[in-house]
Amino acid sequence: EADIYQTPRYLVIGTGKKITLECSQTMGHDKMYWYQQDPGMELHLIHYSYGVNSTEKGDLSSESTVSRIRTEHFPLTLESARPSHTSQYLCASGGGFGELFFGEGSRLTVL
Amino acid sequence: GESVGLHLPTLSVQEGDNSIINCAYSNSASDYFIWYKQESGKGPQFIIDIRSNMDKRQGQRVTVLLNKTVKHLSLQIAATQPGDSAVYFCAENNDYKLSFGAGTTVTVRA
Repeated sequence: EADIYQTPRYLVIGTGKKITLECSQTMGHDKMYWYQQDPGMELHLIHYSYGVNSTEKGDLSSESTVSRIRTEHFPLTLESARPSHTSQYLCASGGGFGELFFGEGSRLTVL
Repeated sequence: GESVGLHLPTLSVQEGDNSIINCAYSNSASDYFIWYKQESGKGPQFIIDIRSNMDKRQGQRVTVLLNKTVKHLSLQIAATQPGDSAVYFCAENNDYKLSFGAGTTVTVRA
């Protein structure tokens, strides 16, 4: 069983609010990822990290930012949420070649 | 069994039949490919992987085939069970950047 946790699981907020989605893993994995997924649709890579102090932008243009100060923690921040940010955000970590372990996701609704 | 030559967003299969799910990948430099299964309300779970120097790999009830010439990947599920109902995604790895393809929703008919 993978040990990767995301909070909150569900969040409803108003436009313009700043939010941080938390992701933590206890497996000591170097690589961590954030994906955005609309219901039933494919996953879009928005940010990833090779390790501490490493952050990279993914394929999907995003107004979010990430940080990687500790190996186990990879938070995602939206400075000013908009309705277009309504989606599910999935965090994942991996230590090997490409096998990722995913969290349960954070479902964000921006009103 | 049920099979499709090209990627389709949905696949309906009779319980006990074999299923084949197809995926086209985009980057010829990708060196590692993975299939994931996502059940409703959960994050994707690893099923099976294959390196680019292989063309076939078998797991428990699943087989992945890789055709690098046409950049095509397929997942075969033997004796499909109700618990196999889910969305299946292929993913390609390039320097640890994992990109996912469009999913296929598999529905198993009793």
